Amino acid sequence: ETGVTQTPRHLVMGMTNKKSLKCEQHLGHNAMYWYKQSAKKPLELMFVYNFKEQTENNSVPSRFSPECPNSSHLFLHLHTLQPEDSALYLCASTLLAGATYNEQFFGPGTRLTVL
Amino acid sequence: DQQVKQNSPSLSVQEGRISILNCDYTNSMFDYFLWYKKYPAEGPTFLISISSIKDKNEDGRFTVFLNKSAKHLSLHIVPSQPGDSAVYFCAASEGNNDMRFGAGTRLTVKP
Repeated sequence: ETGVTQTPRHLVMGMTNKKSLKCEQHLGHNAMYWYKQSAKKPLELMFVYNFKEQTENNSVPSRFSPECPNSSHLFLHLHTLQPEDSALYLCASTLLAGATYNEQFFGPGTRLTVL
Repeated sequence: DQQVKQNSPSLSVQEGRISILNCDYTNSMFDYFLWYKKYPAEGPTFLISISSIKDKNEDGRFTVFLNKSAKHLSLHIVPSQPGDSAVYFCAASEGNNDMRFGAGTRLTVKP
């Protein structure tokens, strides 16, 4: 499979559950991102991993915990979420190469509903 | 602090006409701008980009215009086709830093 894949595509969970979102890229990229898209709001950058090192955490609550075991895989571990965390969670990747900017490639997203 | 704004949540045009999607930004240090297109149940896909050293970039039916003094960019689609119906996101970055996105504009092209 090519491109950026995300699983599951849909997830419904209770506030006390623990679940994980998975992202995988087959593009040889060296940076991966988690975004949150809520209705009628801009995509919110949550976490950035460059060369497997987390370089940014945009004041995301600790109930979201990222993990990047290698440059091809990215996880978002979820626990004790709130209903307002219901959103589309998008993973993206890009190739960082010096000063050259390359566009990000997005996965299809995981639609998360927290009951 | 929303650095990239798309003030029109939706736009409807007739097939064959021009679609113009607008985007404003506040950070004068942004030097790279992109447009993404998103269909339902899919992730955003890259459409076209422009660097701050240019004021126009064209790719087929899609043209992006950049007005640095006004901190404004626009995406023109001509002629518009029903398959262009999607949500369009404007994004901007400073150097190789992280992108900032607008809230998106839903374009509907009517046959």
